[in-house]
Amino acid sequence: DTGVSQNPRHKITKRGQNVTFRCDPISEHNRLYWYRQTLGQGPEFLTYFQNEAQLEKSRLLSDRFSAERPKGSFSTLEIQRTEQGDSAMYLCASSLLGIEAFFGQGTRLTVV
Amino acid sequence: DQQVKQNSPSLSVQEGRISILNCDYTNSMFDYFLWYKKYPAEGPTFLISISSIKDKNEDGRFTVFLNKSAKHLSLHIVPSQPGDSAVYFCAAHPNFGNEKLTFGTGTRLTIIP
Repeated sequence: DTGVSQNPRHKITKRGQNVTFRCDPISEHNRLYWYRQTLGQGPEFLTYFQNEAQLEKSRLLSDRFSAERPKGSFSTLEIQRTEQGDSAMYLCASSLLGIEAFFGQGTRLTVV
Repeated sequence: DQQVKQNSPSLSVQEGRISILNCDYTNSMFDYFLWYKKYPAEGPTFLISISSIKDKNEDGRFTVFLNKSAKHLSLHIVPSQPGDSAVYFCAAHPNFGNEKLTFGTGTRLTIIP
């Protein structure tokens, strides 16, 4: 399967713990995006990379959030000191030339 | 500030009939529009897109219409099938080089057999 892959699919963590999610994009895609979706809302942009360069970060991405894309391949999104408000579906997408973005199945985070 | 709006949270359509999902936008910088379909517990699946230089794009049972002067687009599905039951998101981004997508809140389409 050559689609966008995200791991884990589900994560339950206690408030205050750190979590890290991984995204493996479609192999030839140079652009990678992170979005967050909460119940009843559409996905909201968090950040995006072109190759290994992080080109834009949303103001939604507080200093507890950090994303990396070493070597322009897979990406990780880390949330430090998680809060209950961080509970959401975290979606990764990739694209080539930035036209149609293809999404992974997402990581559902529950902070208890 | 909701720059992409889907004012109908839900829509029910008889199988075989036409489904019409609507989307309005406020940002005149948007240049490219996309529709995504989402099943529960899955990520959005790309459906169809349209550039602002066109007013219609067709792909099988799916057609997207764009009215730039009204800042309105619509997705037509004909004929509707039970497998089309899902949440549909309208999304947009500015011109090539800025592909950050802004999504609407979605419309839940239910196809009645």
